[in-house]
Amino acid sequence: DIVMTQSPDSLAVSLGERATINCKSSQSVLRTSDNKNFLTWFQQKPGQPPQLLIYWASTRQSGVPDRFSGSGSGTDFTLTISSLQAEDVAVYYCQQYYDLPLTFGGGTKVEVK
Amino acid sequence: EVQLVESGGGLIHPGESLRLSCEASGFTFGNYWVDWVRQAPGKGLVWVSRISPDGSITNYANSVKGRFTISRDNARSALYLQMHSLRFEDTAVYFCVRDVDRYLDYWGQGTLVTVSS
Repeated sequence: DIVMTQSPDSLAVSLGERATINCKSSQSVLRTSDNKNFLTWFQQKPGQPPQLLIYWASTRQSGVPDRFSGSGSGTDFTLTISSLQAEDVAVYYCQQYYDLPLTFGGGTKVEVK
Repeated sequence: EVQLVESGGGLIHPGESLRLSCEASGFTFGNYWVDWVRQAPGKGLVWVSRISPDGSITNYANSVKGRFTISRDNARSALYLQMHSLRFEDTAVYFCVRDVDRYLDYWGQGTLVTVSS
């Protein structure tokens, strides 16, 4: 199984400041034939299901604010919230879909400082 | 609007069986893979199973293989998860999720399964 490791476990950021979450996979999730990284990012607020933010490592889902961006390739990925808003308080998960079983990172809790 | 509505959860004893359902709307259900993902209380997300658009291909996590069966009825736009020999560690919210090229785009609200004696 591909193990997904997120860091940090939690993060406190002031409103308007940048938040950065890291995700590392135990093996590459890059398909070299078309240079696609099989990596998604989700946001989950309390009592709600996860919401897709980013797929193919850097493609923003329709309707997701452009302050959310994804980057990275191979085994190392980053989710950046460029200017934290109060409504961004949530747990964020990365997930690989390169191989079965689909696997998720342990989550990063983002709070307001 | 894409909607996925799960049902069938509840309180059940270890060793017993339960069947979850998911009713889909707002898209052509029979064109998509669909997955079950679960989340134990206060814990992270764990993939459980997925099924191909025509139901001919199924995949399972090792932790549920041989105990859970995923199925679908495209005429009813419905997804099912038959769970047997339930264990304490199967306690979780079970989400029904639409699958696009293996990335998971739309999630239902989930249904809670509690395995307790």
